[in-house]
Amino acid sequence: DAGITQSPRHKVTETGTPVTLRCHQTENHRYMYWYRQDPGHGLRLIHYSYGVKDTDKGEVSDGYSVSRSKTEDFLLTLESATSSQTSVYFCAISWGLAGEQETQYFGPGTRLLVL
Amino acid sequence: RKEVEQDPGPFNVPEGATVAFNCTYSNSASQSFFWYRQDCRKEPKLLMSVYSSGNEDGRFTAQLNRASQYISLLIRDSKLSDSATYLCVVNPGDKIIFGKGTRLHILP
Repeated sequence: DAGITQSPRHKVTETGTPVTLRCHQTENHRYMYWYRQDPGHGLRLIHYSYGVKDTDKGEVSDGYSVSRSKTEDFLLTLESATSSQTSVYFCAISWGLAGEQETQYFGPGTRLLVL
Repeated sequence: RKEVEQDPGPFNVPEGATVAFNCTYSNSASQSFFWYRQDCRKEPKLLMSVYSSGNEDGRFTAQLNRASQYISLLIRDSKLSDSATYLCVVNPGDKIIFGKGTRLHILP
């Protein structure tokens, strides 16, 4: 299995509080991604990173920010959590964007409940 | 047509049977195709890539039909352990798009 960890694995928080989720990889992959997965919607890309300090928005980026100060760490922040952000969050990594390099490897996920 | 579309299922199939899933995609310029497997409350994992000529890995066969813009996954001699959700993944060139998945239940 690819060396990807996510922390925390579970979190319960209240509406309006800031929340930061961490993704850590030991594979030295260039690309890192944050997805959310909800029933009926499948996996939706929130943000991704193509290098240290290089990030871009995905299809559902509103209400989320990211940072990548080191190759191995990719942080997802909910500035002010809302109940609609209750979800399962997956981090993923890949070597590149084409051919065999684009295979994505996922972390174990973080279950977030916003009350 | 949605970017990537799958029958959500569930497919309830007796053990030992053959089951096939299809996945349609809208962008004819798509170049890369994959099947991922996701067990309940677990992360998605790559099952196999899909090559133009079709490819096989044990009991699993993946095929691509560019003319009709769909990919398929065939599972032969299904096992109880094949019960999972199968995600179709397509790369039209600038991003990876995941289908919502097809749930498979193998019945003893």
